[in-house]
Amino acid sequence: KNQVEQSPQSLIILEGKNCTLQCNYTVSPFSNLRWYKQDTGRGPVSLTIMTFSENTKSNGRYTATLDADTKQSSLHITASQLSDSASYICVVSAGFGNYQLIWGAGTKLIIKP
Amino acid sequence: NAGVTQTPKFQVLKTGQSMTLQCAQDMNHEYMSWYRQDPGMGLRLIHYSVGAGITDQGEVPNGYNVSRSTTEDFPLRLLSAAPSQTSVYFCASSFHRGSPQETQYFGPGTRLLVL
Repeated sequence: KNQVEQSPQSLIILEGKNCTLQCNYTVSPFSNLRWYKQDTGRGPVSLTIMTFSENTKSNGRYTATLDADTKQSSLHITASQLSDSASYICVVSAGFGNYQLIWGAGTKLIIKP
Repeated sequence: NAGVTQTPKFQVLKTGQSMTLQCAQDMNHEYMSWYRQDPGMGLRLIHYSVGAGITDQGEVPNGYNVSRSTTEDFPLRLLSAAPSQTSVYFCASSFHRGSPQETQYFGPGTRLLVL
């Protein structure tokens, strides 16, 4: 069964600190992996997308990594800001022409001043 | 561009009532979809449309109907609301569905409470 699991469920860190969120998946055939940011009361917004051949991709202070062999991805946030408080969702695409999106439950990140 | 808009933002229904959640996009996107988001779970696809006049079922279609008469609008109808349909509903759109690399753009969501 295709699954995406994220950890931790929630995380609280102080402003200015770094953090890493994890995503493990069992999806076949793998097409790509995307990280979304979802602010409270808003819809998800795409942060990065990574294909099988990409190991690292950055978007400002956000850096996503992908290890296709171990089927793991991480999202690293550097020098956190209060505006980073949100849920971060990992989504894996299974298949190609008629693909399916497998959504993780998300990690809720709270940045404290 | 307004992007993807949804109305209402919040709705309370009684069991058995029907209602329509509205979704519109002004980006000329062919692909539109409806998801529900429940605590502790990933988004689940309810219905989707690859163009005007074409709709199909997603993962959890029971209790919901959709239609797509125009490119811009994709309403979701709850036929007879049940407490299990209490959720946050998101509408999303993208240019096509041909490639899994397509970025989906989400609306702000509709919070539905069924008593």
